[in-house]
Amino acid sequence: AQKVTQAQTEISVVEKEDVTLDCVYETRDTTYYLFWYKQPPSGELVFLIRRNSFDEQNEISGRYSWNFQKSTSSFNFTITASQVVDSAVYFCALSEKKRTGGFKTIFGAGTRLFVKA
Amino acid sequence: EAQVTQNPRYLITVTGKKLTVTCSQNMNHEYMSWYRQDPGLGLRQIYYSMNVEVTDKGDVPEGYKVSRKEKRNFPLILESPSPNQTSLYFCASRSDRGRSYEQYFGPGTRLTVT
Repeated sequence: AQKVTQAQTEISVVEKEDVTLDCVYETRDTTYYLFWYKQPPSGELVFLIRRNSFDEQNEISGRYSWNFQKSTSSFNFTITASQVVDSAVYFCALSEKKRTGGFKTIFGAGTRLFVKA
Repeated sequence: EAQVTQNPRYLITVTGKKLTVTCSQNMNHEYMSWYRQDPGLGLRQIYYSMNVEVTDKGDVPEGYKVSRKEKRNFPLILESPSPNQTSLYFCASRSDRGRSYEQYFGPGTRLTVT
């Protein structure tokens, strides 16, 4: 069965600290896609990154980096030198293609990040 | 500008009064989905559509209907809303081309059923 666990409900850091948001997933499929989204206080969902199950390369984008490890079914997200503008809820999500052709997507419960000045 | 639009953005209604939330995308995407977001639960998929006239249930379809008569539109219908359907609703679309699989989300519709 599909499952996405974001064990950290809330994290509070001081500006310029590094912070890692954890994501652990469960799936029986060999082909799947992992995503991270940001939801700032304004409420919209902002796409951050996608990884497919065949691509375990870690990725860095500015202050953001992602560590995908299939061996531990984890897809963790690190923000380096956090800023107040990083305060948001972050969602990890897992998508699998169903036999009917559609995509079933499961989101984690989200981690609320507070960055204090 | 590529976008997913939803209307209305905010809606307060009473139990049992049928309502429709519209969703439209201008990216010619094949896939569209509806999600609801509730505190502590993240987003849960209600229905999704693979193309015109092809839809399937997500994890929480009870109490909802959808239709996909045109590629760009994917309305969410609540025939008889109940208070437990008070939630924040998001429509999303994605392409089957290029293997990007990125979902584009609408701005959300906050629904309150009293």
